[in-house]
Amino acid sequence: NAGVMQNPRHLVRRRGQEARLRCSPMKGHSHVYWYRQLPEEGLKFMVYLQKENIIDESGMPKERFSAEFPKEGPSILRIQQVVRGDSAAYFCASSPRGQNTYEQYFGPGTRLTVT
Amino acid sequence: AQSVTQLGSHVSVSEGALVLLRCNYSSSVPPYLFWYVQYPNQGLQLLLKYTSAATLVKGINGFEAEFKKSETSFHLTKPSAHMSDAAEYFCAVSAGGSNYKLTFGKGTLLTVNP
Repeated sequence: NAGVMQNPRHLVRRRGQEARLRCSPMKGHSHVYWYRQLPEEGLKFMVYLQKENIIDESGMPKERFSAEFPKEGPSILRIQQVVRGDSAAYFCASSPRGQNTYEQYFGPGTRLTVT
Repeated sequence: AQSVTQLGSHVSVSEGALVLLRCNYSSSVPPYLFWYVQYPNQGLQLLLKYTSAATLVKGINGFEAEFKKSETSFHLTKPSAHMSDAAEYFCAVSAGGSNYKLTFGKGTLLTVNP
């Protein structure tokens, strides 16, 4: 039973480029969450998605960041026109259907470096 | 809104010694509480969780934590440290209608000395 999968594991982008981070939830999980971890900080919630719906994006920066979880395929976190401050580890988590949305299982993360 | 404070960004113990990692939380409603462990360049693994059942929660790898409402604490302990316990540990809280939104502490790096 595969866990949460994220790719790429490492991503290097120059300032101004776009970054696309992908997340495949665990089998049977229909809730996806994205978190960002800045150096020497804890994880910060960014967005919560269900299939084809954004449930809560209160942690997303207002500009340049977007997320989707289409009917088919992985969830995508997209960062346009990246800046050095976007360098961080981005973690995806998933949870099962129903009431237990607090039981989140994390992927290995994508480490984004902006040069 | 809820918050988490982890006392001590770095804890060092000897192999075989007691491990105690401190976590205090703030929440205006009954919380769910979690401890996660992160090994270098890996994702977070759930160690244990408190979801309003028993106040003493047992997790994986011999860890346990006790929920103390009066002290707003959820400290993580292990009687005897092993070298493989060296990692970063994060305490997290979620609560209320947004119980999917985990709020993490800044983490405690545990070093185990031979």
